[in-house]
Amino acid sequence: ILNVEQSPQSLHVQEGDSTNFTCSFPSSNFYALHWYRWETAKSPEALFVMTLNGDEKKKGRISATLNTKEGYSYLYIKGSQPEDSATYLCAFYNQGGKLIFGQGTELSVKP
Amino acid sequence: DTEVTQTPKHLVMGMTNKKSLKCEQHMGHRAMYWYKQKAKKPPELMFVYSYEKLSINESVPSRFSPECPNSSLLNLHLHALQPEDSALYLCASSQWEGIADTQYFGPGTRLTVL
Repeated sequence: ILNVEQSPQSLHVQEGDSTNFTCSFPSSNFYALHWYRWETAKSPEALFVMTLNGDEKKKGRISATLNTKEGYSYLYIKGSQPEDSATYLCAFYNQGGKLIFGQGTELSVKP
Repeated sequence: DTEVTQTPKHLVMGMTNKKSLKCEQHMGHRAMYWYKQKAKKPPELMFVYSYEKLSINESVPSRFSPECPNSSLLNLHLHALQPEDSALYLCASSQWEGIADTQYFGPGTRLTVL
């Protein structure tokens, strides 16, 4: 994988469903992976910065895991709420010192 | 206070105009960034300033001219832009220019070039 890829592109769930999405990134020369949440017309909000293989981070109902050897990170949302509706972006910190963003997963939670 | 402010929120300009975008943070961060986001695409890095010095220029055309007058302020001067430069311009800041430093983003300036 040369770029950062996120799947699925979009997800529609019912309130109360748990959901997860994937971020794939180059597994060689890993430095850090950032997760952001971006609501329409607002600023992207930082969720997690992950640096170590096997890292697990949690913020309320949102958690993330990291596997640097195989080049993927999962973001989980437990018991989705309508206010979780947003685009979730991951960004890979590359050797050139810059964040390379994925296309994002657009989550819509219906009441 | 983890707020990055950007002005204006919206800007419409002609190809012969000169305009500037402004970004401000008061978190004491020493690294500041400009990103460009075209519709349905991920944000792409344009410039990085570290300690008020230009650290990274991602081969951005010279019609975009960044300026960091002090550690709290970042400007992007625009001149002779093209319609394809229409995009959302995001500013961000972080404590240092480091791999594990969280970047805090502003809400962006929506630029339309006619």
